[in-house]
Amino acid sequence: NAGVTQTPKFQVLKTGQSMTLQCAQDMNHNSMYWYRQDPGMGLRLIYYSASEGTTDKGEVPNGYNVSRLNKREFSLRLESAAPSQTSVYFCASSEATADSPLHFGNGTRLTVT
Amino acid sequence: SQKIEQNSEALNIQEGKTATLTCNYTNYSPAYLQWYRQDPGRGPVFLLLIRENEKEKRKERLKVTFDTTLKQSLFHITASQPADSATYLCALNDYKLSFGAGTTVTVRA
Repeated sequence: NAGVTQTPKFQVLKTGQSMTLQCAQDMNHNSMYWYRQDPGMGLRLIYYSASEGTTDKGEVPNGYNVSRLNKREFSLRLESAAPSQTSVYFCASSEATADSPLHFGNGTRLTVT
Repeated sequence: SQKIEQNSEALNIQEGKTATLTCNYTNYSPAYLQWYRQDPGRGPVFLLLIRENEKEKRKERLKVTFDTTLKQSLFHITASQPADSATYLCALNDYKLSFGAGTTVTVRA
């Protein structure tokens, strides 16, 4: 099984450009998440989707939008990139129960200049 | 929301010794706490979950304790090996799963 697959692995954007980060999971999980990881700050939740058709804001949603395209896919869009969005972005999925562990992809390293 | 604090300093230990990592939280005790391992350039990988009514959990050379009075979890790696070198993250259920910043462990051969 591939688990959680994220594309692209690396991306450089200029301020104001837009892009979509793609995420797909093959574990039939109901819940999917987008986190960003910055040095010294840990993983911070941007958006999550408890099930197909639903999305909710996390801790740091400003500047981002998401789409739960189907049960497998959950995309993150930056409409107008800013240098503060330079980070490593991780997608994760889990079963529906509250204590289920998260399964992470290997991340997208985004630099905004 | 919870503030989660892990050892701020990196941990350097000799092979064969025990590494002990701390995870402290500030507010209410969570129903459970999870530990993850993260290697450079990779996503975190789940290791262990411990619930609030469990004092200790073990998995091979790993041991986790959970003290709700101290608001602390300890993560032990016994008989450490160079392959254990990684960053270890604790996470607890707050709004959703919230993560600490992690502690980097380096095991010297």
